[in-house]
Amino acid sequence: AQSVTQLDSQVPVFEEAPVELRCNYSSSVSVYLFWYVQYPNQGLQLLLKYLSGSTLVESINGFEAEFNKSQTSFHLRKPSVHISDTAEYFCAVSSSADRGSTLGRLYFGRGTQLTVWP
Amino acid sequence: KAGVTQTPRYLIKTRGQQVTLSCSPISGHRSVSWYQQTPGQGLQFLFEYFSETQRNKGNFPGRFSGRQFSNSRSEMNVSTLELGDSALYLCASSLIGSGGNEQFFGPGTRLTVL
Repeated sequence: AQSVTQLDSQVPVFEEAPVELRCNYSSSVSVYLFWYVQYPNQGLQLLLKYLSGSTLVESINGFEAEFNKSQTSFHLRKPSVHISDTAEYFCAVSSSADRGSTLGRLYFGRGTQLTVWP
Repeated sequence: KAGVTQTPRYLIKTRGQQVTLSCSPISGHRSVSWYQQTPGQGLQFLFEYFSETQRNKGNFPGRFSGRQFSNSRSEMNVSTLELGDSALYLCASSLIGSGGNEQFFGPGTRLTVL
C-alpha cells in the first residue's frame, strides 16, 4: 500500500518569497505523483503530475516539482509566490502497476496550508 | 466541456437518517471515485466505479454504498448517519481510471450530521 507524508501542515510566507512544500511517499510499487490545490469551499484542482520521463515537472502558474526516486520525494516549489497562491496543497500518489485492488485510487497526504502575506 | 457536478452542495441531516449524494462526471468519463474529506482524517478514498461496476473500495463500513448508472452518473448513499459522517464528500471522474489518469474533482457536497 502507498502512503504520503506532507511534512508541514502550515507554511506562512511573504509575497514574492520562494516556497517549498515537502512531500514524501512510501510504496512497494512504482507510482504516479500529483499535486492538487484546494481553494476554500472548492474541490481539488490538479496542479501538476509526474507520470514518467523528466523528473522535473512544471505547472502553468509557476510551480514546479521534482521527482526524486532515491529519496521518495516529490517536493513542490515556487520561486516567487503571490497572495492568490494562498490555498491548501495536497500531494497524492497512485499505483502505476495494473493491480485491480489499487488501480485508479489516489492516496493523499494530510495537506499543507500555504498562506501568503502581503 | 462542463466539469464534474455534485448535488446537493450542502446537506443537513440528523443522526440515524440516510442520505444520497449525486455526481455527474465529465462527458465521456467512465470512472467515478468518491472521497471523504474531514479535518481529522484528511482525504480518504471511499470507492471507485467503472462501467457500472465497483472496482475499488476503501476501508469504510457497509453503511457507505454507491452505484453507477449506464450514463456514468454515480450516487453514494450513507445509511444510519452518525455524527462522524459530517464531512465534505468529493467526487472525481476520469476517462478510464488508470493510475496515471488525471482525476477531475467536483466542488463537493458538504454534509452536516446533527
